Amino acid sequence: DGGITQSPKYLFRKEGQNVTLSCEQNLNHDAMYWYRQDPGQGLRLIYYSQIVNDFQKGDIAEGYSVSREKKESFPLTVTSAQKNPTAFYLCASSPRDRQTQYFGPGTRLLVL
Amino acid sequence: EDKVVQSPLSLVVHEGDTVTLNCSYEVTNFRSLLWYKQEKKAPTFLFMLTSSGIEKKSGRLSSILDKKELFSILNITATQTGDSAIYLCAVGTSGTYKYIFGTGTRLKVLA
Repeated sequence: DGGITQSPKYLFRKEGQNVTLSCEQNLNHDAMYWYRQDPGQGLRLIYYSQIVNDFQKGDIAEGYSVSREKKESFPLTVTSAQKNPTAFYLCASSPRDRQTQYFGPGTRLLVL
Repeated sequence: EDKVVQSPLSLVVHEGDTVTLNCSYEVTNFRSLLWYKQEKKAPTFLFMLTSSGIEKKSGRLSSILDKKELFSILNITATQTGDSAIYLCAVGTSGTYKYIFGTGTRLKVLA
């Protein structure tokens, strides 16, 4: 089965804690993305990566970090510097022709 | 600054009605416009539009792009309760893999 997987489905973060959200794709797509979705605000781009070992900040990168060591994987770390992390996080990928973008099932992050 | 604006923000209709959702954009170097349906989890892809005036259709859904006036519409005919969702519009630009999303239109179809 080809697709994008995200884990965990739900994640709880304590104050001052860093947490990492996993995103893996087996579609052989070049580009991968992380979006944050808050109620009534659509999708906002956190980071994206066009190739391995390279990534660019999106519109709301502060308090987040990423790595792209393998083509299949693009983990997102929510650091303690992100003061309002409660949101729905979506990972996506697109092929080299950029004809479309496919989404994973999402991770809902909650703060304890 | 690149932006994508969707209207209306929300819409309530009855089964059988026809709805038209709007997406206007102001971006540098337009490449493509994508429509998605989101029902409580990940968005699912509906259409990709790159050329003006060409209508894309899938069953009761259709979409058209006007590159001169910088907007797209998504039409849903004979709506059903299963059409209730958030509909997202995204625009891709040349020279980058970035997509800019609108805030979405929340559609509720009543039985």
